[in-house]
Amino acid sequence: DADVTQTPRNRITKTGKRIMLECSQTKGHDRMYWYRQDPGLGLRLIYYSFDVKDINKGEISDGYSVSRQAQAKFSLSLESAIPNQTALYFCATSADRYSQPQHFGDGTRLSIL
Amino acid sequence: AQKITQTQPGMFVQEKEAVTLDCTYDTSDPSYGLFWYKQPSSGEMIFLIYQGSYDQQNATEGRYSLNFQKARKSANLVISASQLGDSAMYFCAMRENIQGAQKLVFGQGTRLTINP
Repeated sequence: DADVTQTPRNRITKTGKRIMLECSQTKGHDRMYWYRQDPGLGLRLIYYSFDVKDINKGEISDGYSVSRQAQAKFSLSLESAIPNQTALYFCATSADRYSQPQHFGDGTRLSIL
Repeated sequence: AQKITQTQPGMFVQEKEAVTLDCTYDTSDPSYGLFWYKQPSSGEMIFLIYQGSYDQQNATEGRYSLNFQKARKSANLVISASQLGDSAMYFCAMRENIQGAQKLVFGQGTRLTINP
């Protein structure tokens, strides 16, 4: 089983719909992150969380919200989806050590029509 | 200003040749880290190699090595003896330490194509 699991892997939906992307991890990491990737671009940070009680906005948080239900679960919501939120979304985790890399899920490909 | 710059949108290399992917960065923080990730066409992000700003030696991981030139603020990825499976997007990223949490800033990536 993957250490960082994202569901769904693909989603097509309509403008105005509420969407939730879910992320769960078995790595035991406290830190979790949500990124989006647009075609031909690098990843941009949406939200990150130190632990269950700590949520922080990243560089592109407008139009998104998150919930950290448990240490292992971090979900991303689009309250009213719009077409320019069509992108590849990644969840990532990291250990509480300076040199440790972030570990990514396989991504959710989201299309908003 | 862009913090991570990858100036090569695409590169084409013959199989078995070595390839260098460029990355320059900008930071005033004396403590930082640099990462390289590989993204194959299937989409997942695969961690390749890490270099810390205080590391004395260049990082190596198998066929991957990092040519770290601190004064020039460059952290180029070198892949030796390239293979067809190396064809992918490659991203350079810099860790910023925001309130104790790693925050990665990514470059725009380089698409590497290995020709047989």
